[in-house]
Amino acid sequence: AQKITQTQPGMFVQEKEAVTLDCTYDTSDQSYGLFWYKQPSSGEMIFLIYQGSYDEQNATEGRYSLNFQKARKSANLVISASQLGDSAMYFCAMRWFSGGYNKLIFGAGTRLAVHP
Amino acid sequence: NAGVTQTPKFRVLKTGQSMTLLCAQDMNHEYMYWYRQDPGMGLRLIHYSVGEGTTAKGEVPDGYNVSRLKKQNFLLGLESAAPSQTSVYFCASSPLGTRDTGELFFGEGSRLTVL
Repeated sequence: AQKITQTQPGMFVQEKEAVTLDCTYDTSDQSYGLFWYKQPSSGEMIFLIYQGSYDEQNATEGRYSLNFQKARKSANLVISASQLGDSAMYFCAMRWFSGGYNKLIFGAGTRLAVHP
Repeated sequence: NAGVTQTPKFRVLKTGQSMTLLCAQDMNHEYMYWYRQDPGMGLRLIHYSVGEGTTAKGEVPDGYNVSRLKKQNFLLGLESAAPSQTSVYFCASSPLGTRDTGELFFGEGSRLTVL
């Protein structure tokens, strides 16, 4: 069965430093996608970055990059030059295609606190 | 740009009462989903729909029913609310297509408290 694991309930980082949020996944499918979403204290879910299982290059979006290690089944999010506005919950998610449908599950999340 | 709209945003129910959460999307997406978010558990899928008139169970469907009579609307019903259903509910939609990543577009969430 598919599974997403985020082992860090909370992380903190100094402003302007880089931080890595861990995500491991489990699937027997060859075709899947991995996402990261940000949830600030206001509650909305904000899409950050996507990595397809067949993508050879790690995805990048501005200060966000996804460190995709397929053999280890990990999809860690790297935030460079942290800002105070990066303080939020971060969720890793996996999408796969099964039974004719796209399905998507989330990890439990990591709460990031950026300190000045 | 409405995107995905959920109503109501907040609701307090007594145990045993019923209610319906409405989700509306204006992006012509095929897929729609209802998730619940509880502390320490991330988002768990309740039910989803891959098109008008079709629905399917997710991870935690018990105690909920859904309907997708129109493509743009996805309703989540609680027939007899229980305190365990106190949660924040998120609706999401996504396009259908082999080139689509499957990214979800979320509503703002609905906070439900069952006393």
